[in-house]
Amino acid sequence: DGGITQSPKYLFRKEGQNVTLSCEQNLNHDAMYWYRQDPGQGLRLIYYSQIVNDFQKGDIAEGYSVSREKKESFPLTVTSAQKNPTAFYLCASTLQGPGNTIYFGEGSWLTVV
Amino acid sequence: AQKITQTQPGMFVQEKEAVTLDCTYDTSDPSYGLFWYKQPSSGEMIFLIYQGSYDQQNATEGRYSLNFQKARKSANLVISASQLGDSAMYFCAMRHDTGRRALTFGSGTRLQVQP
Repeated sequence: DGGITQSPKYLFRKEGQNVTLSCEQNLNHDAMYWYRQDPGQGLRLIYYSQIVNDFQKGDIAEGYSVSREKKESFPLTVTSAQKNPTAFYLCASTLQGPGNTIYFGEGSWLTVV
Repeated sequence: AQKITQTQPGMFVQEKEAVTLDCTYDTSDPSYGLFWYKQPSSGEMIFLIYQGSYDQQNATEGRYSLNFQKARKSANLVISASQLGDSAMYFCAMRHDTGRRALTFGSGTRLQVQP
């Protein structure tokens, strides 16, 4: 089946640890995105990538890092520098060009313990 | 800067009735797209409908329609014949066709459909 796969679905992190969230898509999409959602709120952009080997910071990039070595993969690392990482993380992708639908993965819940 | 405003934190509607969810936006860019997504309690984001800034007609997708008033910068979602399964969070979002081209989201509206 085609789509966007995020893993793990649930993740617990100890304070001071880095964790990496996986996002893989087999839709041949050019652009990929990472969003963070806190309870009862909208989505905020962390990082985005419009082509392989290139990515830009979004609105809340501090404490996060990404890579885009392959077109189908856009992993997000939540570093120990992120002071409040407990949230729901959503990955998305789309084809370039106006009017293209942006599709989302099922999300990953990260909890700091 | 682009901004999306959803002024209704929560809405109730009776089953089989129509409901309108409000969305206003702010941008100086002439080329953009407006999206609505549904987020059930499971967390997934489900695409509902899209409206381009140059589209002359309002978009429709089954029971969903978008009331696009460009001069007023509003893009309200209309759900006809509400069903119990429509209970969810609904998000309005905008994406410019040039530059960053990432979605900017509103704060959402929680819709509850009552039997």
